[in-house]
Amino acid sequence: DQQVKQNSPSLSVQEGRISILNCDYTNSMFDYFLWYKKYPAEGPTFLISISSIKDKNEDGRFTVFLNKSAKHLSLHIVPSQPGDSAVYFCAATLRNSGNTPLVFGKGTRLSVIA
Amino acid sequence: EAGVAQSPRYKIIEKRQSVAFWCNPISGHATLYWYQQILGQGPKLLIQFQNNGVVDDSQLPKDRFSAERLKGVDSTLKIQPAKLEDSAVYLCASSSLDRIYGYTFGSGTRLTVV
Repeated sequence: DQQVKQNSPSLSVQEGRISILNCDYTNSMFDYFLWYKKYPAEGPTFLISISSIKDKNEDGRFTVFLNKSAKHLSLHIVPSQPGDSAVYFCAATLRNSGNTPLVFGKGTRLSVIA
Repeated sequence: EAGVAQSPRYKIIEKRQSVAFWCNPISGHATLYWYQQILGQGPKLLIQFQNNGVVDDSQLPKDRFSAERLKGVDSTLKIQPAKLEDSAVYLCASSSLDRIYGYTFGSGTRLTVV
């Protein structure tokens, strides 16, 4: 019963083009969503987040879009760079319920080809 | 700000042996989490501490796993006896009460049970 789903295990994109990573969730109680990036042999690092009261949040080359009615979010990276090659995890939580834990998807491995 | 420290980085043990992992969170972070990440999966919560009290250990296999957080700071996670399926990366994370920017993860301990 995966509550957060990343259905694409991997994605390959040319340098300079847009990378779009997708995430779906099933629990309608989730109200805060985060993306983490993970390099080999390192822990996940926070990338960007979005509250359920918004539909878009932008930070430099990274933009997260949230479609609450579809229970879907996506991470856009423009332009993609070789250093963006990593595993990206989508995570969700109940932000307004105190320090509730993050629920993670299985991750999508992004390869940016020079 | 120093990050979340974990040790050891790698551990190889035989099944039925015991093992312990250590975590030192970011100073002042009240909440500490242990996650298990099996290869190809997203991180899965094992246990959450608030200061030195357990908030959620519903997914901790208590017949073999135990964890404690001494004086609300460092934490240890123990497996006794280990099984082959315990092979995974064990991630420690900490967060402050205002968790806008998400957790901070350590680099993890990669456990291989042979």
